[in-house]
Amino acid sequence: GNSVTQMEGPVTLSEEAFLTINCTYTATGYPSLFWYVQYPGEGLQLLLKATKADDKGSNKGFEATYRKETTSFHLEKGSVQVSDSAVYFCALSSGTYKYIFGTGTRLKVLA
Amino acid sequence: DAGVTQSPTHLIKTRGQQVTLRCSPKSGHDTVSWYQQALGQGPQFIFQYYEEEERQRGNFPDRFSGHQFPNYSSELNVNALLLGDSALYLCASSSSGQGERQPQHFGDGTRLSIL
Repeated sequence: GNSVTQMEGPVTLSEEAFLTINCTYTATGYPSLFWYVQYPGEGLQLLLKATKADDKGSNKGFEATYRKETTSFHLEKGSVQVSDSAVYFCALSSGTYKYIFGTGTRLKVLA
Repeated sequence: DAGVTQSPTHLIKTRGQQVTLRCSPKSGHDTVSWYQQALGQGPQFIFQYYEEEERQRGNFPDRFSGHQFPNYSSELNVNALLLGDSALYLCASSSSGQGERQPQHFGDGTRLSIL
């Protein structure tokens, strides 16, 4: 079946450090891929998306490229801020109208 | 433009009771999905409603049921509550006209605690 695997956290970085959160997937067909962010006590907010191979999603300095050959969708940011501290979820949708989420990666950014 | 709204924000119940959670989708959206997020885990798909019918269901027992109203709002009902039902319940909405590749929009969730 379809699945998403994310790197385990927590990831702790200093402000202005480079961020990578790994995400790989298993799916039949050609899924759409998403990154969502969850701040404490809140729901999920869409961060970025990609709907086909080689698409690059980007938003607020974050970016991720849909790599079909490696079945990956790694999240990157060149310079993190304290305000980026949150839990990040990778998700896929493969034409069945439901999302499959990874377990989430907690990011802590220290000033 | 109101986003997805859920009520209540918090709820405390005891084992064996029944609970109803409510969701109003984002304006212009006609499809509602429900997810269960246990502490420290990713959301798990419960079911999705479209045109007032359950379109797809995840691996959840029949104790979990739902409804969608003509105005597209939705309810999630859980009967015979178990301790393991304690979780954040998230509602997500989307527009069928935009296709399933478009992102779902999530509400802030209802935190359900079972004592």
